[in-house]
Amino acid sequence: DIVMTQSPDSLAVSLGERATISCKSSQSLLYTSNNKNYLAWYQQKPGQPPKLLIYWASTRESGVPDRFSGSGSWADFTLTISSLQAEDAAVYYCQQYYITPWTFGQGTKVEIK
Amino acid sequence: EVQLVESGGGLVQPGGSLRLSCAVSGFTFSRYDMNWVRQAPGKGLEWVSYISRSSGTMYYADSVKGRFTISRDTAENSLYLQMNSLRAEDTAVYYCGRGHPDYGHIVDYWGQGTLVTVSS
Repeated sequence: DIVMTQSPDSLAVSLGERATISCKSSQSLLYTSNNKNYLAWYQQKPGQPPKLLIYWASTRESGVPDRFSGSGSWADFTLTISSLQAEDAAVYYCQQYYITPWTFGQGTKVEIK
Repeated sequence: EVQLVESGGGLVQPGGSLRLSCAVSGFTFSRYDMNWVRQAPGKGLEWVSYISRSSGTMYYADSVKGRFTISRDTAENSLYLQMNSLRAEDTAVYYCGRGHPDYGHIVDYWGQGTLVTVSS
């Protein structure tokens, strides 16, 4: 199985500051025939289901604010929140869908400092 | 508006069975792949199962293979998860999720979840 490792496990960021979350996979998620990285990012707030933010590593889902961006390729990915808002406090998960079983990172909790 | 509503969760003894349902509305069910994802209390997300729009392809996590069966009924606009030989480690909130139109292995809409508790 592909192991997804996020870092840090938690971080506290001041309002308006940048938050950066890393996600590393145990093997490449780049499918070279279509040049796509099979990596998604989700946000989950307490008591709510996850919400899709980013897929194909860098494609923002419709309706997601542009302060959320995804980058990276092969086995090294990053989710950046450019200017943290109060409503961004949540747990963030990366997920690979390159090969079954699709696997998630352990989650990164973002808090407001 | 896309809606997914899970039901069928509850308390069951180890070795027992449950059938989860997910009623969908707001989109053409037959055109979308579907998924089940679970989350143990206080833990992270675990993908459980996938079914293609035609029901021609199904995948399972190793942890549930041979015990769980995913299915769908287009006439009922519903997704199902039959869970047999339940274990304590199956205790979780079970979410149904719609496959993204770009690629069905991505979940773009999620239900609110139904809690399954396996305990004697």
